[in-house]
Amino acid sequence: DVKVTQSSRYLVKRTGEKVFLECVQDMDHENMFWYRQDPGLGLRLIYFSYDVKMKEKGDIPEGYSVSREKKERFSLILESASTNQTSMYLCASSLGGTGDGVEAFFGQGTRLTVV
Amino acid sequence: AQKVTQAQTEISVVEKEDVTLDCVYETRDTTYYLFWYKQPPSGELVFLIRRNSFDEQNEISGRYSWNFQKSTSSFNFTITASQVVDSAVYFCALRDPSGNTPLVFGKGTRLSVIA
Repeated sequence: DVKVTQSSRYLVKRTGEKVFLECVQDMDHENMFWYRQDPGLGLRLIYFSYDVKMKEKGDIPEGYSVSREKKERFSLILESASTNQTSMYLCASSLGGTGDGVEAFFGQGTRLTVV
Repeated sequence: AQKVTQAQTEISVVEKEDVTLDCVYETRDTTYYLFWYKQPPSGELVFLIRRNSFDEQNEISGRYSWNFQKSTSSFNFTITASQVVDSAVYFCALRDPSGNTPLVFGKGTRLSVIA
């Protein structure tokens, strides 16, 4: 079974802190994604990566950066946390290419509260 | 641009009723993938089904069935004889055929099944 693991289930951070959200997948997937989920807004893509050291901006990249130094790990960084970044963060991974197995698999989510 | 619309924000049914969740999509691609995910209260998105655009056969899996109609750009999800455990947020998603692109999600439909 595909396993996507996010480092924390719940986090509370202070405004201005630098925050790292870690995500690891164990299925050798090429693609990894960070989404943010807010009530009434659904899932919005922050960043994605289709290969090591490669990254692409999603719909709402402002205030975030990412790092992918190894294929299995994709980190989301909040450079200076703000209260409007309080949200549920979801990491996902998928195979590259087409055909069977292109669906994304998700981690359990990290609920971040910035105070 | 790709877009997924789930017009039903919340649905409430009594146990054993049938319920259909609507999904309408927009894409300029002639080939694409469609998906449904379930998000129970625990928060993790669970993959339910993938459909390729060239395969318009409907699919049934136990109490779940999916109706894909290319002519109306719809991919609807029906739960037959609903159960309390079906209570969750359900997301429809779309992806283009290239290997390295993210899923585009609708805003989700919250289904409540009442005993």
